[in-house]
Amino acid sequence: AQTVTQSQPEMSVQEAETVTLSCTYDTSESDYYLFWYKQPPSRQMILVIRQEAYKQQNATENRFSVNFQKAAKSFSLKISDSQLGDAAMYFCAYSSGNNDMRFGAGTRLTVKP
Amino acid sequence: DTEVTQTPKHLVMGMTNKKSLKCEQHMGHRAMYWYKQKAKKPPELMFVYSYEKLSINESVPSRFSPECPNSSLLNLHLHALQPEDSALYLCASSQDLLLWGGAKNIQYFGAGTRLSVL
Repeated sequence: AQTVTQSQPEMSVQEAETVTLSCTYDTSESDYYLFWYKQPPSRQMILVIRQEAYKQQNATENRFSVNFQKAAKSFSLKISDSQLGDAAMYFCAYSSGNNDMRFGAGTRLTVKP
Repeated sequence: DTEVTQTPKHLVMGMTNKKSLKCEQHMGHRAMYWYKQKAKKPPELMFVYSYEKLSINESVPSRFSPECPNSSLLNLHLHALQPEDSALYLCASSQDLLLWGGAKNIQYFGAGTRLSVL
């Protein structure tokens, strides 16, 4: 079974600084999808960024980028120029494409002004 | 429009009550999902509907009964719940499951229904 591990329950970053959230996963599949979702206090899960395993190039969405290391089964999220609105719970998620979305335990990010 | 609408936002029910949660999307998605999320925990998959047919049931107790009347609507019928069923219930949808491609695996979530069972 696929598992997703986020080893940082909480992280803190100063506004305008850069922070990296860690995620590792375990799978025997060769094709799969990885996601980072954000859940602010409003509760709605919001997609931050996604990565297809067959793509070597790391995904980037404005201030958000990933470091995808397929051999190491690592998928970290880098947030640049952190903003107060980035404060939320961040979940790393894995999908084999068969609607078996599995989430990590989450990392609570605090942004200090 | 990437909106998934869930109603009600909050629900309080007794253990003998029957209630329903509703989820609606108009993005043309053909897969819809129910998740249960306890406080400070990640969402846990409960059910998946694909083309209005139940495709995944993650061994959920029968007191939870999903229904997909059409491709835009997903219900979760609740009956004889227990206090430990109190949680945030999230609905999500995604594009065609039968086709392969990254974008089709993106799930869009509603804001959830906060359920309290007394």
